[in-house]
Amino acid sequence: ETGVTQSPTHLIKTRGQQVTLRCSSQSGHNTVSWYQQALGQGPQFIFQYYREEENGRGNFPPRFSGLQFPNYSSELNVNALELDDSALYLCASSTYTGTYEQYFGPGTRLTVT
Amino acid sequence: AQSVTQLGSHVSVSEGALVLLRCNYSSSVPPYLFWYVQYPNQGLQLLLKYTSAATLVKGINGFEAEFKKSETSFHLTKPSAHMSDAAEYFCAVSDRGGGFKTIFGAGTRLFVKA
Repeated sequence: ETGVTQSPTHLIKTRGQQVTLRCSSQSGHNTVSWYQQALGQGPQFIFQYYREEENGRGNFPPRFSGLQFPNYSSELNVNALELDDSALYLCASSTYTGTYEQYFGPGTRLTVT
Repeated sequence: AQSVTQLGSHVSVSEGALVLLRCNYSSSVPPYLFWYVQYPNQGLQLLLKYTSAATLVKGINGFEAEFKKSETSFHLTKPSAHMSDAAEYFCAVSDRGGGFKTIFGAGTRLFVKA
């Protein structure tokens, strides 16, 4: 059974640029959630995707967008990067119902300069 | 709206001593509650979860937590700390399963002294 994987591990971007982060779900999971974890803080819910549709969104602006593919992998896109976007971005996969558990990937560390 | 408060950003215990990490939540509906652990430069690992079954929940690595509705608390305990328990611990709440809009606390860093 393959766990949740994320790529890239680290990324450095310049303010104003765009970035795409990728996540592969754990086998058998059809739901993906994305979180932003700033240094020294807990993860903050960005949005969740289920069956290729956005299924709920936290308090993040529209420049944070996502996609889920038929194989349940997912992308997080951030446009017009700001310095405050520097954070660890975590992806978590789960089933939509039943176990209530999320399985987290190792994260992508984004630095915006 | 749901929220989570973790009391104490840092907790230090001696090896072999009791570990107690405090979590209070706010939820307008029966909550699902979780404790996660995060080691440096890693993602989060689920320690245990409460999903309206038994109020005393046992998790991995000897951790357990008790759901107390009257106190809106879900404190994490372990009878005897090990050096390997040193990590960041997060309490989280959701109004349903599958990670939907899960709200995390700010975290508590646990230090274990030899």
